[in-house]
Amino acid sequence: EDQVTQSPEALRLQEGESSSLNCSYTVSGLRGLFWYRQDPGKGPEFLFTLYSAGEEKEKERLKATLTKKESFLHITAPKPEDSATYLCAAPGAGSYQLTFGKGTKLSVIP
Amino acid sequence: NAGVTQTPKFQVLKTGQSMTLQCAQDMNHNSMYWYRQDPGMGLRLIYYSASEGTTDKGEVPNGYNVSRLNKREFSLRLESAAPSQTSVYFCASSEGGAAEAFFGQGTRLTVV
Repeated sequence: EDQVTQSPEALRLQEGESSSLNCSYTVSGLRGLFWYRQDPGKGPEFLFTLYSAGEEKEKERLKATLTKKESFLHITAPKPEDSATYLCAAPGAGSYQLTFGKGTKLSVIP
Repeated sequence: NAGVTQTPKFQVLKTGQSMTLQCAQDMNHNSMYWYRQDPGMGLRLIYYSASEGTTDKGEVPNGYNVSRLNKREFSLRLESAAPSQTSVYFCASSEGGAAEAFFGQGTRLTVV
């Protein structure tokens, strides 16, 4: 069964305190690993797609990396506006179904 | 460029009532999806349409029906609403099955 597991469930950081969020997956025939940001009351907003181990993508203070079994979302010197729930997802082999993790709720305190 | 537009944004139904959630995308995407999001459960796929003219069940299809009206529009119907269908519903679209999906703003549905 395809599974995507995120940790931690919640993370509180002081402004400027760098950290990483983890997404581990057991999806056969990985055809992409997606990261999304979701603000309260809004739909998920697409951030990155990673396709192969060793690949990295960056956007402002966020950098996503991928290994054969997990992905990390590194947040460097976060600001309060980075507070959100971060979701990762992967499509199952041969299907149109994205399997989502339950997310990490990030709070950045000024 | 609006992306994915859902209507309505909020709805309260009584048990047994029916309603249709509407979704339209303007990105010329082939595939469209309906998800529900519940606390502690994450996003779960209800139905999807890989391309115009096709629809398929996702993880939690019971109690729902869908219609892919054309390439732009994909609707979700609750024939007889139940309290267990209280949730936030998201429509999404993508170029294809393995491509990143773009989401609407959601419909918050309460069934009393």
